[in-house]
Amino acid sequence: QKEVEQNSGPLSVPEGAIASLNCTYSDRGSQSFFWYRQYSGKSPELIMFIYSNGDKEDGRFTAQLNKASQYVSLLIRDSQPSDSATYLCAVNDQFPFSGGYNKLIFGAGTRLAVHP
Amino acid sequence: GAGVSQTPSNKVTEKGKYVELRCDPISGHTALYWYRQSLGQGPEFLIYFQGTGAADDSGLPNDRFFAVRPEGSVSTLKIQRTERGDSAVYLCASSSSPTSGPTDTQYFGPGTRLTVL
Repeated sequence: QKEVEQNSGPLSVPEGAIASLNCTYSDRGSQSFFWYRQYSGKSPELIMFIYSNGDKEDGRFTAQLNKASQYVSLLIRDSQPSDSATYLCAVNDQFPFSGGYNKLIFGAGTRLAVHP
Repeated sequence: GAGVSQTPSNKVTEKGKYVELRCDPISGHTALYWYRQSLGQGPEFLIYFQGTGAADDSGLPNDRFFAVRPEGSVSTLKIQRTERGDSAVYLCASSSSPTSGPTDTQYFGPGTRLTVL
């Protein structure tokens, strides 16, 4: 059974700080990784994806992937109260990628609270 | 519509009843996914449609669950003989091109909150 693990939090950071969210996954063959944000009572929305080792930056967000350690993280710079939400890490279940679709395995999410 | 829509937004039913949950994907999206999200958990994959056919139904928990997409657009998730353990938010997602690779983006609908009393 493939698993994605996240610390449930809450992770509390002050406004303007860097929030670091972490995720580990069990299947060494996993190829692509996604970070979703979910506000309370709302549906998940994609922040970014990553599939190559290293860093990928998009505005205030940076995803980091280390396949050898089976670890993916999300950094949020200059955190704002509006970033307070649950962050879901998801991994593509298709290994090797076949069938042409993206079956996602989600972690339980980390709740982030940014306080003024 | 601009996004994925789901109806009803809330559904309360009694144990043993039959329910249908509807998903209307983004226009032109051929790939459609159903997920289930229990309180405090991440979404759990149920079924994937490519066009009209269910290409992967490996996540359906048992034979009480069934889904259709007869015209390749709207999909209906059907649950027979509902149980209290079926209570969850049922999410639908669609994507434009399932063959675009392992980073194909799924767009989620607002979900249907199902409560089985």
